[in-house]
This record gives sequence, C-alpha cells and structure tokens, in this order.
Amino acid sequence: QQQVKQSPQSLIVQKGGISIINCAYENTAFDYFPWYQQFPGKGPALLIAIRPDVSEKKEGRFTISFNKSAKQFSLHIMDSQPGDSATYFCAALKDTGRRALTFGSGTRLQVQP
Amino acid sequence: ETGVTQTPRHLVMGMTNKKSLKCEQHLGHNAMYWYKQSAKKPLELMFVYNFKEQTENNSVPSRFSPECPNSSHLFLHLHTLQPEDSALYLCASSQDPTENTEAFFGQGTRLTVV
Repeated sequence: QQQVKQSPQSLIVQKGGISIINCAYENTAFDYFPWYQQFPGKGPALLIAIRPDVSEKKEGRFTISFNKSAKQFSLHIMDSQPGDSATYFCAALKDTGRRALTFGSGTRLQVQP
Repeated sequence: ETGVTQTPRHLVMGMTNKKSLKCEQHLGHNAMYWYKQSAKKPLELMFVYNFKEQTENNSVPSRFSPECPNSSHLFLHLHTLQPEDSALYLCASSQDPTENTEAFFGQGTRLTVV
C-alpha cells in the first residue's frame, strides 16, 4: 500500500512555464513534507520542505502548497528552466515511530528549450 | 558532493557471488539508511541505523545483510541475490532521526545481478 501517491509520472513543460507536481498522503501522523530532486547518476537532494502548520512555502522559483484538510501537497516550479529537468520525489516523515522518509513514486520533469 | 560517499558506483555480480556495498558519511550524522531504487517504483526503505544500532528492518530478505561498525560507516553485504534485486542502492544519513532533519544521499551503487 503506497502511503504517498505522486502524480504525474512524467511531465513536459516549455521553458518559462510552470511545472506542477502533486502528492497525496493518507497517514495523518506525517508532519514533515520534503521534496527531493534527483539528476541522472546522482542521489536525491533536498529541494524544499514544509511542515503542516503553514499552507505555503516559497524558496526562489520553487513553492510548496500544502492543504492539510485534503492531505495534499504540491510543488510548483515557476519560470521552469532546462536545468530543472530531473526526477522529483515528494516524501513524508512521521512525528513518531518510524523515523525514515516515505517517498512518492517520482515525477520525471523535462523542460524543453 | 553531499558528504555521503558510496562505493562501488557500479557492480555486476552473479547469483552465487558474495559482495559488499560501502557507505561513508563525513557529516557527523547519527543515523544512516539504506534505500533501494527500482525503475518506476518509490524509493524503498531497507534498513535504518541510529547511533550504530539497527532500528528498522523493512521486511528485507536475509540475502541482504547490513552492518554498521560505527556511526560513519555502513555496509550492505549481498549473497545469493536474484535478478530482481538489480537496482540502484542508495545510502543516506541524517543528523538526528528523532527530529525532522534533512537526509543526505550518496550517489548510489548501480547493482546488476546476472
């Protein structure tokens, strides 16, 4: 049973456009929601993260929107650039018990010039 | 570089071989993790070590055997693997597993079982 569901599986965006990736979770014990970026041949790297006490967090061109009641969160990449082409993973971490990230299935983003 | 180094980067092994994957972190972190990344599947947590003690084994087959001799080093010993075990194996570390701190990943070992 997949605890964090991510969509779409792949995404093609034109340079300068907005990339939107969505995730949904089921377990209300999750209290930390990071997004990781992975380039080919590299391990995932933290991009941005949010806690459920805020509805939005922005860092440069990257924004997380969080809807606690719907148990959904999304990543928005504004002014998408070819260098943003990578695989993006949402993740979630519980406040108690298992202290390791549960990942979504990933979204392969391609930004066309 | 993230401060987490994995070796080897690539490994091809037969089903009867025994090999080991190595992970070293230079960040002073207290927790280390093994993840398996297969095509079109979420990263799967395999093992968690907290202050050198294994705190989680996520129902991993016994043909995978982890070892954590100290908080900076983590090994994954492999024996009698199956072709479906072919995947990217990622090591990660974090400062404190009881807090929501960033996990730093190594570049992974691409394992092919033939």
